[in-house]
Amino acid sequence: NAGVTQTPKFRILKIGQSMTLQCTQDMNHNYMYWYRQDPGMGLKLIYYSVGAGITDKGEVPNGYNVSRSTTEDFPLRLELAAPSQTSVYFCASSYYRSLGQGHQPQHFGDGTRLSIL
Amino acid sequence: TQLLEQSPQFLSIQEGENLTVYCNSSSVFSSLQWYRQEPGEGPVLLVTVVTGGEVKKLKRLTFQFGDARKDSSLHITAAQTGDTGLYLCAGARDYGQNFVFGPGTRLSVLP
Repeated sequence: NAGVTQTPKFRILKIGQSMTLQCTQDMNHNYMYWYRQDPGMGLKLIYYSVGAGITDKGEVPNGYNVSRSTTEDFPLRLELAAPSQTSVYFCASSYYRSLGQGHQPQHFGDGTRLSIL
Repeated sequence: TQLLEQSPQFLSIQEGENLTVYCNSSSVFSSLQWYRQEPGEGPVLLVTVVTGGEVKKLKRLTFQFGDARKDSSLHITAAQTGDTGLYLCAGARDYGQNFVFGPGTRLSVLP
């Protein structure tokens, strides 16, 4: 069982370039998330999705876009890369949070380390 | 400013010692989670606490949720080198809201 898979693992971009970070999960989770992790700052939520066709902004969405055309895939797009977007990006997924079930654990991928120079 | 504060930021101890790390906020949370993250990997959930005063144990790890649901602690007994990692707490203020993560405590257990 692969869980959450992120590609690529490492990438160096030049300022102004664009790229897509890929995320796929095989657990049939309906919730998916994108976070960035900067040193000493914990994880900040960029975007999330509660199901195919539905996305919403998190805490730090500026400079990013997402789409959710299938349950399995949740790619993150950087259109005009800036040095401030140098970070480690994590994708996560979880089951539907229905009343009475409480908060479900998030399953994380191993991250994409992105440097913008 | 961080919604969740964690202390200490860094901790280095010898194998066999006990330790406690803290997660604090001025906000009330409906639930709080603890994750451990090892270098080059994503965070892995350790526990979820939802009731004020709740205590959960996971082998040598003891988690406590404060009575007012504003803070939590993680106590490790007889630390092992395998406990080395970044410990993150994450809280959700209301049911259905997303979790907010603290900055983490980086623990190093030396042999």
